[in-house]
Amino acid sequence: AQRVTQPEKLLSVFKGAPVELKCNYSYSGSPELFWYVQYSRQRLQLLLRHISRESIKGFTADLNKGETSFHLKKPFAQEEDSAMYYCALSGISGNTPLVFGKGTRLSVIA
Amino acid sequence: SAVISQKPSRDICQRGTSLTIQCQVDSQVTMMFWYRQQPGQSLTLIATANQGSEATYESGFVIDKFPISRPNLTFSTLTVSNMSPEDSSIYLCSVETGEETQYFGPGTRLLVL
Repeated sequence: AQRVTQPEKLLSVFKGAPVELKCNYSYSGSPELFWYVQYSRQRLQLLLRHISRESIKGFTADLNKGETSFHLKKPFAQEEDSAMYYCALSGISGNTPLVFGKGTRLSVIA
Repeated sequence: SAVISQKPSRDICQRGTSLTIQCQVDSQVTMMFWYRQQPGQSLTLIATANQGSEATYESGFVIDKFPISRPNLTFSTLTVSNMSPEDSSIYLCSVETGEETQYFGPGTRLLVL
């Protein structure tokens, strides 16, 4: 069964501190992993996808197939990073719906 | 990417009535998805809507309760029928582009009294 687990409902960090949002997944095939972010009063938007191996707004995420994890990291948190973060997966063949984790609310304290 | 709009953005409805939510995309897409986000919860897929075929519903969702139309490659509607307070939720449509990435509409916030 496909499942995405985000163990932390809320994560609070001080500005300038490192951030790690945890995501573990369960999938029988080869998944595509995504991080979506929802800022206050804004729509859900794509932050990054593992297949691109890019850094967006200072965030990176590496797919670890051995640990079935796709943790989101940023070395120095900023106040504007405060938002709801969702980890999601889909089948690698495309045209498949996303399975979302429950989300982690990141609060960056000044 | 894709620009997606939804109507209405929010509504307050009486129980027993129905509401149709529209989703419009600025480009032709094959796959459109409808999700629900209940208060304090994550997103749950309701159904996948392909143009020219019946929508495919996920477990726990049925066509009589959530009929979907997909008349062309840029538009879809989701109807929430015979509403009850448990249907109070945010309903989102999303599309998958050629980049195999999903983009989301702004959502429709529904409150059923």
